Amino acid sequence: AQSVSQHNHHVILSEAASLELGCNYSYGGTVNLFWYVQYPGQHLQLLLKYFSGDPLVKGIKGFEAEFIKSKFSFNLRKPSVQWSDTAEYFCAVIISNDYKLSFGAGTTVTVRA
Amino acid sequence: EAGVAQSPRYKIIEKRQSVAFWCNPISGHATLYWYQQILGQGPKLLIQFQNNGVVDDSQLPKDRFSAERLKGVDSTLKIQPAKLEDSAVYLCASSGGLLETQYFGPGTRLLVL
Repeated sequence: AQSVSQHNHHVILSEAASLELGCNYSYGGTVNLFWYVQYPGQHLQLLLKYFSGDPLVKGIKGFEAEFIKSKFSFNLRKPSVQWSDTAEYFCAVIISNDYKLSFGAGTTVTVRA
Repeated sequence: EAGVAQSPRYKIIEKRQSVAFWCNPISGHATLYWYQQILGQGPKLLIQFQNNGVVDDSQLPKDRFSAERLKGVDSTLKIQPAKLEDSAVYLCASSGGLLETQYFGPGTRLLVL
């Protein structure tokens, strides 16, 4: 079965610090990769996605992620976080012939003003 | 554009009772998903519909859970009878197709006492 690992359960950092959240998946074939975010009191929404092409993907609110196929990774980055980035972040994967979206356990990010 | 609607937002029941959740997807979206999100975990797919047909229900506990999507639009998810371990947030999502971005509703938070 497909599995998605997110390395950090909870990350606390100060405004203007850089953020990197790790995500690894266990499938060796073609995958579609996603990062979703859930702000406090809001529903899950898409930050960015990778289907094919340039492995460096840019999303909303200054986030980007890099697909490294050899490492089965899709890490999320933001060079300078804001207090409003406080949220829970989920990495998710679809195997191309499976169509099921598998989520990691999520990483809670707390940004201190 | 209206998002995915779900109701109720909160439900408290006693074990062995039954409960039903309703979902209205984004207009025109052919694919509809139900997820279960237990506290501290990522969402887990329960069932996936393409129009009014089931694409995948391999992770649906069919002895107590059932779901239908009448006329390929709205969907209901039922639990009968409920167990304590069913306490979770039940998320509905929809997409334009099987590999397209999924848009999530606000979820129904279920507490089984």
